[in-house]
Amino acid sequence: DAGVIQSPRHEVTEMGQEVTLRCKPISGHNSLFWYRQTMMRGLELLIYFNNNVPIDDSGMPEDRFSAKMPNASFSTLKIQPSEPRDSAVYFCASSFSLAGAYNEQFFGPGTRLTVL
Amino acid sequence: TQLLEQSPQFLSIQEGENLTVYCNSSSVFSSLQWYRQEPGEGPVLLVTVVTGGEVKKLKRLTFQFGDARKDSSLHITAAQPGDTGLYLCAGGAGKLTFGTGTRLTIIP
Repeated sequence: DAGVIQSPRHEVTEMGQEVTLRCKPISGHNSLFWYRQTMMRGLELLIYFNNNVPIDDSGMPEDRFSAKMPNASFSTLKIQPSEPRDSAVYFCASSFSLAGAYNEQFFGPGTRLTVL
Repeated sequence: TQLLEQSPQFLSIQEGENLTVYCNSSSVFSSLQWYRQEPGEGPVLLVTVVTGGEVKKLKRLTFQFGDARKDSSLHITAAQPGDTGLYLCAGGAGKLTFGTGTRLTIIP
């Protein structure tokens, strides 16, 4: 398996522009997670899906952020409009989750976003 | 909100030395995981501990889960340059809460 695939790996954009990050989870996994990592705040969970349904989006910073999972093999995280404070590394992770059980999360390589 | 504090935040030691890093919380966790993250990559799972007092060994790495399941430690024996990275603890089932991280540098 190729692992979790994220694109693009790097994105540089100007303030006010729309940014779309993409993720392909590992085949067979039923949970997908979007994280943001910065030096100041560490690794923060933004949203997670189970069986393509958003379960917890309490980590989404504000309405400028939205995430979708139209099918089991694809998810997007969109920021519109982007702001300089959104600059961070965004990770997608997937796992095969059983209710109430601990599960290993497999992370993608991340997308480094820079908003000028 | 469950918080996980890791210490030290930064650690730089010579190759061959031993070290211990800590993960502490005021909350009880059903399980706790340790991940290592190398520059430019995502975190990779090292181990999961689920029972209070549990000790797991992974070659030169020894992980311990506190009796009360509120804290954990990672001990590395005879550190190698390949151990360099960001070590993250994470707690919870399904949805994980990640710790603040310990950035470890092993000097050859």
